[in-house]
Amino acid sequence: QKEVEQNSGPLSVPEGAIASLNCTYSDRGSQSFFWYRQYSGKSPELIMSIYSNGDKEDGRFTAQLNKASQYVSLLIRDSQPSDSATYLCAVSRGSQGNLIFGKGTKLSVKP
Amino acid sequence: DVKVTQSSRYLVKRTGEKVFLECVQDMDHENMFWYRQDPGLGLRLIYFSYDVKMKEKGDIPEGYSVSREKKERFSLILESASTNQTSMYLCASRSPGQSYQPQHFGDGTRLSIL
Repeated sequence: QKEVEQNSGPLSVPEGAIASLNCTYSDRGSQSFFWYRQYSGKSPELIMSIYSNGDKEDGRFTAQLNKASQYVSLLIRDSQPSDSATYLCAVSRGSQGNLIFGKGTKLSVKP
Repeated sequence: DVKVTQSSRYLVKRTGEKVFLECVQDMDHENMFWYRQDPGLGLRLIYFSYDVKMKEKGDIPEGYSVSREKKERFSLILESASTNQTSMYLCASRSPGQSYQPQHFGDGTRLSIL
């Protein structure tokens, strides 16, 4: 069974700190990786995607991918209380754009 | 921006009823998906479709069916609703092609079966 694993948290960080969210996956053939943010009671919202080994930065967010270690992470710099949400890691499978989702890490940013 | 619209945000139905959940996207996407999301279980794929009149079973298709008569619309049908189908239902769509195309989600329908 192809899986995506995330620490469920909650991960608690103070305002202004760096939040580090981690995800491992089992299918070595996966090509694309996505991070979604989901506020309580809302639907998932895409915040980052990454396809190549290394880092990809977008504003306060940095996604990191290491295919050899089957590991993808999301760093949030200068964390804000508005970043408090559940972060879902998703990994591509197959050729039709299907995704396998992790169960999410709940992040809490304390003022 | 991609707009995926689900017909209801909240829905209450009774056991044994036939329930229809509708999803419409405005980006001419070929691929559409239905998920349910439950606490502790995460997002689970029910059905997906990669073209009009095409459908494929996901990981948990039992008790559900789907309809894709037009490209923009993908309907999820609960043939005979049961209490264990109480859940948040999420529709998503994406452009076809390379795996780097992300899925975009609707606002979700919180369905309660009494």
